[in-house]
Amino acid sequence: DTGVSQNPRHKITKRGQNVTFRCDPISEHNRLYWYRQTLGQGPEFLTYFQNEAQLEKSRLLSDRFSAERPKGSFSTLEIQRTEQGDSAMYLCASSSGGGLDTEAFFGQGTRLTVV
Amino acid sequence: QKEVEQDPGPLSVPEGAIVSLNCTYSNSAFQYFMWYRQYSRKGPELLMYTYSSGNKEDGRFTAQVDKSSKYISLFIRDSQPSDSATYLCAMTPSGTYKYIFGTGTRLKVLA
Repeated sequence: DTGVSQNPRHKITKRGQNVTFRCDPISEHNRLYWYRQTLGQGPEFLTYFQNEAQLEKSRLLSDRFSAERPKGSFSTLEIQRTEQGDSAMYLCASSSGGGLDTEAFFGQGTRLTVV
Repeated sequence: QKEVEQDPGPLSVPEGAIVSLNCTYSNSAFQYFMWYRQYSRKGPELLMYTYSSGNKEDGRFTAQVDKSSKYISLFIRDSQPSDSATYLCAMTPSGTYKYIFGTGTRLKVLA
């Protein structure tokens, strides 16, 4: 399978715990994105990387959230001190190319439930 | 007011009908427009991608962009029960790579 891979698919955690999600983009895609989607809403942009550089972050990404892409390949999204409002689907996407005219392909997402 | 407006539905149609899904937007800087299909508890799947005003066709799907009216549409011909999903429009402002999504329209095609 050469698509975007996300792990785990589901995560249940207690409030206050830290969680980390992993995304493996399509091979050779240099851009990687994180989005969050709640029920009945479209995905909301969180952040994106060009290779290993984090180029843009949404104000939705509070100081409890941190994303990394250390070698320009896979990425991790960590949420510290989780809150019930963090319960959502966390989606990763990747795209290639140097211009704006390249489409993003999404993974299946990690569904987080904070209890 | 959201930058991208999309009727959440649900929209129910009989099998074989032509479906019209629409989004309006307020930011004239949007220049790339996408339609994604999302099945329940799955990630969005890219259907159509366009950057200019006019029509783009791919099989049973036609994407239409009217930049002067800030309005985009997706038409599905000969709709099938397997088309039942949520359809999301997305667009990219100039100078950035992030996508701004609509809320999605839930479509049900009845057999």
